[in-house]
Amino acid sequence: DVKVTQSSRYLVKRTGEKVFLECVQDMDHENMFWYRQDPGLGLRLIYFSYDVKMKEKGDIPEGYSVSREKKERFSLILESASTNQTSMYLCASSSPIAGGSFPPYNEQFFGPGTRLTVL
Amino acid sequence: DQQVKQNSPSLSVQEGRISILNCDYTNSMFDYFLWYKKYPAEGPTFLISISSIKDKNEDGRFTVFLNKSAKHLSLHIVPSQPGDSAVYFCAARVWNTGTASKLTFGTGTRLQVTL
Repeated sequence: DVKVTQSSRYLVKRTGEKVFLECVQDMDHENMFWYRQDPGLGLRLIYFSYDVKMKEKGDIPEGYSVSREKKERFSLILESASTNQTSMYLCASSSPIAGGSFPPYNEQFFGPGTRLTVL
Repeated sequence: DQQVKQNSPSLSVQEGRISILNCDYTNSMFDYFLWYKKYPAEGPTFLISISSIKDKNEDGRFTVFLNKSAKHLSLHIVPSQPGDSAVYFCAARVWNTGTASKLTFGTGTRLQVTL
């Protein structure tokens, strides 16, 4: 059974604290993603990684950084948490897409999410 | 700039009837479209997808229709069941070579199937 796990389901932090959100997948996937989900805004991509030590900015990277030292682990870092970073954070992983004119879709598998509250 | 839009934040349907969830997009470079389903306190799970070269894909009670000229897709659930009550996200992909392909998600539609 495929599994993406996130280190915490609920987290409460104070403004200015450094926050680490950890994600681990056991599917040997190359690609990993961090999203945040907010009411009325859907899921928005923060950062993603397609290989160890590789990272790319998503649509809303400001205020976040990431680390991918091992294939199975992708960390999201809030250097100095702010109240507008209160959100549900979702991690996902997928395998790379094969070549071809219309490559198939390789499903993203999501973790259960971390509800972060910044006071 | 919201490239994928779900204009109905919520939908209520009676058990046994058809549920139709709609999604509009603006980026003509999207080549794959997907629907994800999300229960509270769980991550989204993949439901069904469609390539841009098709106009329909069916999987059991779920059918996705794509109208490229209108930049519109819809998810039909027939018959609707109480267990279908969840938030449904429409997503779209632009295929990138060399890096991971990103998904752009819509804002979600909360479906409630009533008895």
